[in-house]
Amino acid sequence: GAVVSQHPSWVICKSGTSVKIECRSLDFQATTMFWYRQFPKQSLMLMATSNEGSKATYEQGVEKDKFLINHASLTLSTLTVTSAHPEDSSFYICSARGASGSYNEQFFGPGTRLTVL
Amino acid sequence: QKEVEQDPGPLSVPEGAIVSLNCTYSNSAFQYFMWYRQYSRKGPELLMYTYSSGNKEDGRFTAQVDKSSKYISLFIRDSQPSDSATYLCAMSAMDSSYKLIFGSGTRLLVRP
Repeated sequence: GAVVSQHPSWVICKSGTSVKIECRSLDFQATTMFWYRQFPKQSLMLMATSNEGSKATYEQGVEKDKFLINHASLTLSTLTVTSAHPEDSSFYICSARGASGSYNEQFFGPGTRLTVL
Repeated sequence: QKEVEQDPGPLSVPEGAIVSLNCTYSNSAFQYFMWYRQYSRKGPELLMYTYSSGNKEDGRFTAQVDKSSKYISLFIRDSQPSDSATYLCAMSAMDSSYKLIFGSGTRLLVRP
């Protein structure tokens, strides 16, 4: 149980284009989903928290107009990187927290590697 | 000063050794403590989850939390080459944000 999937696993795009990444909880309902980015050999940095049906809460320094987050259902959240630039190249990971179970258990997706040319 | 400090390693041990991984933290509000294992280019996998102080054991893994010292540990017994990965500690306060604060991760290499 507690499986989280991400799609795509790897994407290459040209500078200036937009890229959408999907995060799905496959066997549970996720009341809260989180988006992280991770640079090589560095830890996970939280970008934003999204609750189903409400606007995402962004961490300080994260541009909300550049990283659009939509949490339309209890099993799906999307991150859209708009007008991507090479500095946006990173490993993007989502996690999901269920409505029941341990207070703060988060289950992570396998990640999406974004390369912007 | 970072909220969570973790030695990045790498830590290299022979197969069968006992591994000790540690994190220190500064925020006394942290109540939930987790250890994740992350293989290269994969998402983190939850290994251990502990609330407040104390020990928790699961198979070859033991997690310890000492809130008085703001120090947490993960012990791996009979380490295997398949344990080679990056181990991340994470913690959070009891609030409505559910935010996790991660350590930088320790890279572990278990030599056959």
